[in-house]
Amino acid sequence: DQQVKQNSPSLRVQEGRISILNCDYTNSMFDYFLWYKKYPAEGPTFLISISSIKDKNEDGRFTVFLNKSAKHLSLHIVPSQPGDSAVYFCAARYYGGSQGNLIFGKGTKLSVKP
Amino acid sequence: EAGVTQSPTHLIKTRGQQATLRCSPISGHTSVYWYQQALGLGLQFLLWYDEGEERNRGNFPPRFSGRQFPNYSSELNVNALELEDSALYLCASSLVVGHYGYTFGSGTRLTVV
Repeated sequence: DQQVKQNSPSLRVQEGRISILNCDYTNSMFDYFLWYKKYPAEGPTFLISISSIKDKNEDGRFTVFLNKSAKHLSLHIVPSQPGDSAVYFCAARYYGGSQGNLIFGKGTKLSVKP
Repeated sequence: EAGVTQSPTHLIKTRGQQATLRCSPISGHTSVYWYQQALGLGLQFLLWYDEGEERNRGNFPPRFSGRQFPNYSSELNVNALELEDSALYLCASSLVVGHYGYTFGSGTRLTVV
């Protein structure tokens, strides 16, 4: 049973436009959410995060929105650039009991065309 | 500051053999995590070590095991290799699972033939 779901395997966007990547989760005990970016042949790199007590966090061109009632978060990239082309992973943390590891979605491959 | 380093970069093994993958965390990081990225399956959590002890493991058979050494480096062992074990194995480290999440290494590409 997937606790973190990224239902779109791929997304194509024109350079300069907005990219919106979506993520749904099922576990209401998650208290922290993160986005990672992964280029081929490299490990994922941290991009941006949000605590469950907030509904928005912004860092430059990247904004993450959290809708707790819908158990949904999204990553907005404005404006999109060709260098943003990568696989984006949504991850969630349940910090309690014996767990402490991040649970990842399957990723969305973003392609930004010039 | 050196990042998370993993070795070897690539590993080819025959079905039934054993594979050993190594990870050196960022200096000062005590937690090490192992993930498997098989084709089309995203990152699947394997193991979490902290201060030399196994803290949690994912839904993988016991032939996936590992350990963490006193210097916080870690080893992942996969026994009785099966073809479906072919994947990218990623190691990550953190001080704690904090606001900035993990720092990942570049991974070991394991191919079982």
